[in-house]
Formats: sequence, C-alpha cells, structure tokens
Amino acid sequence: QVQLQESGPGLVKPSETLSLTCTVSGGSISSYYWSWIRQPPGKGLEWIGHFYNSGITNYNPSLKSRVTISVDTSKNQFSLKLSSVAAADTAVYYCARGLTPSYWGQGTLVTVSS
Amino acid sequence: QSVLTQPPSVSAAPGQKVTISCSGSSSNIGNNYVFWYQQLPGTAPKLLIYDSNTRPSGIPDRFSGSKSGTSATLGITGLQTGDEADYYCGTWDSSLSAGVFGGGTKLTVL
Repeated sequence: QVQLQESGPGLVKPSETLSLTCTVSGGSISSYYWSWIRQPPGKGLEWIGHFYNSGITNYNPSLKSRVTISVDTSKNQFSLKLSSVAAADTAVYYCARGLTPSYWGQGTLVTVSS
Repeated sequence: QSVLTQPPSVSAAPGQKVTISCSGSSSNIGNNYVFWYQQLPGTAPKLLIYDSNTRPSGIPDRFSGSKSGTSATLGITGLQTGDEADYYCGTWDSSLSAGVFGGGTKLTVL
C-alpha cells in the first residue's frame, strides 16, 4: 500500500520560501505522476503542479513563477518550493500520486505570518 | 474563481438521490477525463470517480459519474448521513497545461 507523508515547517514568514518534502513508502517514485495540491482554510482545492520522472513538469500558471517541484529518487522523496510567500499562500498542502491523484498524504498546514 | 463550476451546495433526504454538476469548457472537460473526490472534514480528499465514470475498488456503486460535452455529473443514490461532505470535480486543462478543480459542493443529508 502506497503511503505519502508531507513534512516541513508549519510557519513561514512573508517574502520567504516555503519548502516541503513528500516521502513515499510502499512504492517507487520512479513511476507515476507526483503532485502537490493545496487548500486554503475553508476553501477549495488548488492544483500546484506535478512531475513525471521522465522529466515532465507542469505548474499552475498562476504560481509558475514562484514554484519548483524536484525529486530525489535515492530517498524516494519529492519536494515543493514556493518563493516569495504571502498570507494568501496559507493552506494545507497535500502531496499525491497519479495524473488523477489517487493516493494522498494527510496534508500539512503551512501558515504564512510574521 | 475556479475554472470548473460547481453548485456551492446541494441537499437531499436520507435514501434519496442527488446529483452534483460540474461545468467546464472544451479545453478541459470537453476533451479530458473527469475525476471526483469526496472530502470529509479534516481529512484528505478521497477519489470516488476517475476516467469520468469509473469507480476505484472499494467505492460503492451508489456513486456514479457521467460526462456529456463540457459538463460532468456525480450521482449519489441511497443517501446516507455519512455522505455529508464536500465534493470536488477535477480534470486536466489542455490549454493551461495544468490540473483544474471545481470550487466544491457541500452535500447536506437532511
């Protein structure tokens, strides 16, 4: 059974970079699409981006200038970096597997505040 | 403002049927598969439907999906109080080269 677990700071200051890691267990990260999705408190889901290990990477156009998704196959992990954060980036961040995300992490709340 | 449009809320009595609509365009729903998620409070979304009308293993056949043109519909029959949740549609947008979601629909089982 594939399991995903997000990790990273729960509090980030405005203008700084948000960094999260997703650790995958029970399966190899070398296959499938791997995604980041977020959900501001009380609001809907927002797709951030995904990658495929062949080198395909796609990002939400509204976030593209600030987002980088990278992978570390040796650790079976992939990461999200979101730069120049503001209060509007406060959200629960989920990592997920699949072009149609079928396996999700439990999510981690990241608050942007000074 | 979400790319896909869903009604903010729907309601029905236990045992009844409800449908949730999801409207898009030719660049998303019109030319790509649709998926549906159920999100219970405080939990991660759970995949209910993929490829527009296919249920993953373990999802009861009370849940169904369909697509016509640039719209999709999630149907739930035999409503139970445990079905009270937020429901989201999603798909790929070929023009944006990005995944897109609807704004979500809150289901109340009266």
